[in-house]
Amino acid sequence: GAVVSQHPSRVICKSGTSVKIECRSLDFQATTMFWYRQFPKKSLMLMATSNEGSKATYEQGVEKDKFLINHASLTLSTLTVTSAHPEDSSFYICSARVSSGSKAGELFFGEGSRLTVL
Amino acid sequence: AQSVAQPEDQVNVAEGNPLTVKCTYSVSGNPYLFWYVQYPNRGLQFLLKYITGDNLVKGSYGFEAEFNKSQTSFHLKKPSALVSDSALYFCAVRVPYGQNFVFGPGTRLSVLP
Repeated sequence: GAVVSQHPSRVICKSGTSVKIECRSLDFQATTMFWYRQFPKKSLMLMATSNEGSKATYEQGVEKDKFLINHASLTLSTLTVTSAHPEDSSFYICSARVSSGSKAGELFFGEGSRLTVL
Repeated sequence: AQSVAQPEDQVNVAEGNPLTVKCTYSVSGNPYLFWYVQYPNRGLQFLLKYITGDNLVKGSYGFEAEFNKSQTSFHLKKPSALVSDSALYFCAVRVPYGQNFVFGPGTRLSVLP
């Protein structure tokens, strides 16, 4: 149990286009999901906290108009990279926090999405 | 503010030898502590956690970690390393009722055959 599906796993896009990444909790509800960015050989950088039914909370230095986050249901959060540029190329990882049950409070991660902007 | 330190960027160990990946933390109150492992181009996988109770926590794949309150440490250990244990390991902390996990910088473990 507690599986998080992240899609797509890899995406290549042209500069100036927008890319949407989905994060789904498959067998549990998650009122809170997190989006991270990971640079090569670096730790996770928290970008934003996504709360179901409300606006996301962005970390300092993260442009909310560039990285649009929507958490429309208890099992789905999306990250849209708008007007992507090559410097947005990175590995993006989502995580979902279990809302209730025996695993309440635990964090489970998606497999990550590698974005390459040409 | 919460913080997590992993003092070693890289740990090398020979297969069959015991391994230790170090983690220290700073947090107000009693922490929840976690270890995650990341294989190349993959997400993070949960290894183990400490919430309360016995200071020695056993987790997946033969890993264990010891919570030491006086030293504010939560080192990850395994008695006999496997080549397949080679990966990036992250320590994380969360305060009770807190929203966010704070991750350490990660330690790359290389197990040499």
